[in-house]
Amino acid sequence: EVQLVQSGAEVKKPGESLRISCKGSGYRFSSYWISWVRQMPGKGLEWMGRFDPSDSYSEYSPSFQGHVTFSTDKSISTAYLQWSSLKASDTAMYYCARHPDPNTQFEDWGQGTPVTVSS
Amino acid sequence: DIVLTQSPGTLSLSPGERATLSCRASQRVTSRYLAWYQQKPGQAPRLLIYGVSSRATGIPDRFSGSGSWADFTLTISRVEPEDFAVYYCQQCGTSPWTFGQGTRVEVK
Repeated sequence: EVQLVQSGAEVKKPGESLRISCKGSGYRFSSYWISWVRQMPGKGLEWMGRFDPSDSYSEYSPSFQGHVTFSTDKSISTAYLQWSSLKASDTAMYYCARHPDPNTQFEDWGQGTPVTVSS
Repeated sequence: DIVLTQSPGTLSLSPGERATLSCRASQRVTSRYLAWYQQKPGQAPRLLIYGVSSRATGIPDRFSGSGSWADFTLTISRVEPEDFAVYYCQQCGTSPWTFGQGTRVEVK
C-alpha cells in the first residue's frame, strides 16, 4: 500500500526555523516527484512547487520562491519542506503529494502537517 | 498564471440529484493536464479525475469529467451522502500549477 506519512503538528514563533517531513512507503521513492501544497485556514489549495527526489531538482512557485526550501534524504525515503524564518502568514496546513511525472496529477497525498506561527 | 474559476461556489443538493460543477480557465489548458480532487473536512484531498475524463483508481462511475480548451465540467450523476465535500479543479500543464477556488457540494 502506498503511503505518504507526514510529521506532526508544529507551533512556532515568528522568525524561527522549521522543517517538516513526508515519508513515502509502498513504492520506489525516487521514481515519483513530490509536490508541496499549502492550505491556509478555511481557504483553498495552493501549489508551492515540485521536487524530484532522484536528482534533487526543485521548482518553486513564484509565490513561495526564496521563502521555502525542498530537500530529501533518499536513504529513508523522506522529503522535507523547510523555512529559515517563519512568518505569521505561514500558518496553514501543508500537504505533500506524489506524482509519477513532472506534469501530472497528484495520485496520493500525505495526511497534512498543521503549522501554527504565533508570537 | 492560469486562473481557474469554479462555479458555483456552493451547490445545495439532495441525495440522488445530479451535480454539475464548472471550471473555467483564463487560457487554454492542455487536456491531459486537467484534474479534479475531492476534499472532505479534516481530510487530505483525493484525486478523482485526471486528463479531463479519466477516473482515478477506485473512483465510482457516477463521477465523470468532460470539457476542453478552457472549459471543464465535473458531473456526479446521482449524489450519494458520502459525496458532500469540496471539489477542486487543477491544471498542471503550465507552471505555476494552479487550483480553482473550490465548489462546496452541501446537503439541501
